[in-house]
Amino acid sequence: SQLAEENPWALSVHEGESVTVNCSYKTSITALQWYRQKSGEGPAQLILIRSNEREKRNGRLRATLDTSSQSSSLSITATRCEDTAVYFCATDGGGGADRLTFGKGTQLIIQP
Amino acid sequence: NSKVIQTPRYLVKGQGQKAKMRCIPEKGHPVVFWYQQNKNNEFKFLINFQNQEVLQQIDMTEKRFSAECPSNSPCSLEIQSSEAGDSALYLCASSPGHQDTQYFGPGTRLLVL
Repeated sequence: SQLAEENPWALSVHEGESVTVNCSYKTSITALQWYRQKSGEGPAQLILIRSNEREKRNGRLRATLDTSSQSSSLSITATRCEDTAVYFCATDGGGGADRLTFGKGTQLIIQP
Repeated sequence: NSKVIQTPRYLVKGQGQKAKMRCIPEKGHPVVFWYQQNKNNEFKFLINFQNQEVLQQIDMTEKRFSAECPSNSPCSLEIQSSEAGDSALYLCASSPGHQDTQYFGPGTRLLVL
């Protein structure tokens, strides 16, 4: 079974709308990261939220972390067509481990 | 924006052939990772280095893959005898330190025929 999982699997909204992607994970963590991967590119980090943080913002992006329920969310406001990508959450497994464990991602499509 | 460079972008090999790909990490980043991403978007960690030393690697990497990060040269990942199941996107990432942001390159897409 997966150690990190995003939901929904796919999402489509119109430009300008807000959208939220959720992530559940199964291990203790030091931090959780949200990445975005556009077609033909490698993943690009959006937000890193540490286990002692509850919320982190980066421009139009807002991430939350609930370690008690082992869940996180990423919200994007005022979406743009260029936000179309696959969004992944990634955990580090705690204990000083560096390797990241990714979910399978949420495909987000922003329609004009 | 990431400055990790990966070459080649595409690689086509026959089964049993060697497949070698290279990565130049961002300047000043001592930690380098290799991941495999399959067509289902599943990531698999392969190996990571700090400077030239291996920190962690999985069994598969120990047996059929070889990797190194020599000083003053690109890092490399080589599959000794390619199998069809090795067809995937191989991603290199570098990081300024432990438990820090990992900056990914665009990947090398390997197709094993």
